[in-house]
Amino acid sequence: EVQLVESGGGLVQPGRSLRLSCAASGFTFDDYAMHWVRQAPGKGLEWVSGISWNSGSIGYADSVKGRFTISRDNAKNSLYLQMNSLRAEDTALYYCAKGSTVTTQQPYYFDYWGQGTLVTVSS
Amino acid sequence: QPVLTQPPSASASLGASVTLTCTLSSGYSNYKVDWYQQRPGKGPRFVMRVGTGGIVGSKGDGIPDRFSVLGSGLNRYLTIKNIQEEDESDYHCGADHGSGSNFFYVVFGGGTKLTVL
Repeated sequence: EVQLVESGGGLVQPGRSLRLSCAASGFTFDDYAMHWVRQAPGKGLEWVSGISWNSGSIGYADSVKGRFTISRDNAKNSLYLQMNSLRAEDTALYYCAKGSTVTTQQPYYFDYWGQGTLVTVSS
Repeated sequence: QPVLTQPPSASASLGASVTLTCTLSSGYSNYKVDWYQQRPGKGPRFVMRVGTGGIVGSKGDGIPDRFSVLGSGLNRYLTIKNIQEEDESDYHCGADHGSGSNFFYVVFGGGTKLTVL
């Protein structure tokens, strides 16, 4: 059974940093690209960032480019999102999502999602 | 990049059928769309992918036969027959789009909240 468990969310002041983690199990982690998708309170889904199986291809939404950094550790079956210079508009539930393909350089969908970790940016 | 438009809400009675619509912006009629179900307080769940020829690939794990899709022009439809209480969810559509740097990212519609009466 595929499981994705996010952690690391919390309340943080504007301008500060936070690091999210996603522990994956139930599939061969380094065979797939992984992604972060967020959902602001009462809003729709927004793709945040994606990383290919070998970290060779990485992309970010314009809204987080230059502030967020995605990474993965295939030995630990883990995905990370380092979030710097946080803003109030980054407040959201952050989901870890498994891509359906090995790379981010071909069409894909998200075939499994975690339950999310809540990030609240407020003073 | 494409813009995906979904009505914010829909409703249907228990045992009835409902069709949810996701509309692509002009110029993207060849795009495939993915449907996701999000039950209250849960993470999204992949339902299936749809193009103008209908379903693309397989349904997501545990998606019942009551769920089906169709595609026509700029519209991608998700139909749920014999609606059950557990179908009350937010339904999101998404489409992957290749950027100039050969990186694909996903854009989502605003989601439709389905209420079972």
